[in-house]
Amino acid sequence: DAGITQSPRYKITETGRQVTLMCHQTWSHSYMFWYRQDLGHGLRLIYYSAAADITDKGEVPDGYVVSRSKTENFPLTLESATRSQTSVYFCASSEPLAGGNDHTDTQYFGPGTRLTVL
Amino acid sequence: AQTVTQSQPEMSVQEAETVTLSCTYDTSESDYYLFWYKQPPSRQMILVIRQEAYKQQNATENRFSVNFQKAAKSFSLKISDSQLGDAAMYFCAYRSLYGNKLVFGAGTILRVKS
Repeated sequence: DAGITQSPRYKITETGRQVTLMCHQTWSHSYMFWYRQDLGHGLRLIYYSAAADITDKGEVPDGYVVSRSKTENFPLTLESATRSQTSVYFCASSEPLAGGNDHTDTQYFGPGTRLTVL
Repeated sequence: AQTVTQSQPEMSVQEAETVTLSCTYDTSESDYYLFWYKQPPSRQMILVIRQEAYKQQNATENRFSVNFQKAAKSFSLKISDSQLGDAAMYFCAYRSLYGNKLVFGAGTILRVKS
């Protein structure tokens, strides 16, 4: 099915380990995003990408690394996981606004990954 | 930087009644977009409604409508004829006109009583 998928859906890891969360979209959207959701903070942007090989920091990028070698994939890596990175992680994708009243720029979200760092 | 504030951590409504969720935001921009997203227990983020700041008319989607007050920087969501399936966390979000990043509020948990 077309859409945006994330894997794994659940992950438990230990402090200091490297973890990679995967995101894949089938729409060929230009933009992709990583958010983390924490109680009391809503969703906060970690990193985003405007196209393959173009990435930029969001609000809370420290401790995370991203890459985007292909348009459809946008993996998020925690190089050395910490307990404060325990969270639910959402990937999203969108197209730039084309103009007029279209809603092509709507962000579509994946199902989320619940990450626990012990 | 833009900020979004949802001052109600939790709200309750009786089935078939109407409830309003509050959202205020801070920005120096004159053109932007505002959104309400719903997150049911499944965790899926679902777009409920969208408002363009340059439009004076309030957006409506079936039982969902907004009260957009640009001068007051207020963007409340009204849910009419509430249903059990409306129970969820609701997020208000802001996006600049030419940007693609969303800024979210902390969310409001809506409980629907039968």
